[in-house]
Amino acid sequence: DIQMTQSPSSVSASVGDRVTITCRASQGISSWLAWYQQKPGKAPKLLIYAASSLQSGVPSRFSGSGSGTDFTLTISSLQPEDFATYYCQQANTPFTFGPGTKVDIK
Amino acid sequence: EVQLVESGGGLVQPGGSLRLSCAASGFTFSSYSMNWVRQAPGKGLEWVSYISSSSSTIYYADSVKGRFTISRDNAKNSLYLQMNSLRDEDTAVYYCAREVAVARGPYYYYGMDVWGQGTTVTVSS
Repeated sequence: DIQMTQSPSSVSASVGDRVTITCRASQGISSWLAWYQQKPGKAPKLLIYAASSLQSGVPSRFSGSGSGTDFTLTISSLQPEDFATYYCQQANTPFTFGPGTKVDIK
Repeated sequence: EVQLVESGGGLVQPGGSLRLSCAASGFTFSSYSMNWVRQAPGKGLEWVSYISSSSSTIYYADSVKGRFTISRDNAKNSLYLQMNSLRDEDTAVYYCAREVAVARGPYYYYGMDVWGQGTTVTVSS
């Protein structure tokens, strides 16, 4: 099975900061990658699919890039509501999730 | 309103069984593939199982294969997860999630765009 890794595991940032999270697949997955945001006690929320396509209703400060094995999620200007845990997911069965990156307040 | 509502969670002893349900509303349930995803306490997300819209294709994570069975009833707009031979490590919040498929050129790209609120399964003696 394809394994997903993420770095960093956590990041402390301030409102207005640019934040970049990296996700790596153990083998090439083309653009079959999605990103999710999860807040404590809540269900995950789809942010990005097809590696770089923004899900409807998601603010444009979120962007995704990459293809093959290396992917990034960028938050261009961190807002208070963005403090959460972010997961990548290889979006072809089996749908393996990365271990998550927690973005907290600096 | 597009909505998924899970039910059926609870406390069960190791080796026991439980059946989770997920009721869908606000969309054409029969047109969508569905998934179960779980999250152990303080841990990350783990995909559990997938079922296509017509039930013709089913997948399981290795960790549950042979013990869990996914099914759906499109007439009742419902998704199910039958969990047998439960283990301590199955303790988690279980979410049902709708799969969205977007065509880009010759390919479809997937994500889980609608999630339920989750139902908690605790396996303990």
